[in-house]
Amino acid sequence: AQSVTQLGSHVSVSEGALVLLRCNYSSSVPPYLFWYVQYPNQGLQLLLKYTSAATLVKGINGFEAEFKKSETSFHLTKPSAHMSDAAEYFCAVTAAGGTSYGKLTFGQGTILTVHP
Amino acid sequence: DVKVTQSSRYLVKRTGEKVFLECVQDMDHENMFWYRQDPGLGLRLIYFSYDVKMKEKGDIPEGYSVSREKKERFSLILESASTNQTSMYLCASSFAGRNRVGEQYFGPGTRLTVT
Repeated sequence: AQSVTQLGSHVSVSEGALVLLRCNYSSSVPPYLFWYVQYPNQGLQLLLKYTSAATLVKGINGFEAEFKKSETSFHLTKPSAHMSDAAEYFCAVTAAGGTSYGKLTFGQGTILTVHP
Repeated sequence: DVKVTQSSRYLVKRTGEKVFLECVQDMDHENMFWYRQDPGLGLRLIYFSYDVKMKEKGDIPEGYSVSREKKERFSLILESASTNQTSMYLCASSFAGRNRVGEQYFGPGTRLTVT
């Protein structure tokens, strides 16, 4: 079984400030982890993914995430927020094998607001 | 560019009606998925299909069925719509290869209201 918990349903930052969106996972087998972003009135698009290679993963639009097995975390960061980063962000997990392989389990989502 | 299209952006149906939501992808993806998205609950998997005529239940299949007669098309069916099925429905597709696992491409969604 696998699950994802995103801490904080809403995060608000000023333009230029650090963005930190938190994600903790639970998985009985080695996980693959993902961050997706949903802009208003659009479907989701992949930001980045971790598949057991480098623990620090870089994605699109300046985002990155670090896999920390000891903390079962996969937090998303961006050094300097831009107004265009305002969106809802979803963390997701799938198992690296077994019956859950390829099926994503999503977190509850975090809405990021960026103030001028 | 990968394109996943859904038949309607907005749909209003009455309780008890049979509802069809259509999804088409143009990238020859093997896997297709239907999710519903509700505030505070994230996305929940309803059904998925890894091949034509193949389907598997997701986490919340009750009240839904699916059909995949062609590789590019995956339909979600609400046999008798109920008000608790008012939601945003998202379709997604992906390649089956191990190096692409979890990389899903999403349609824009259909916001269904059942009155």
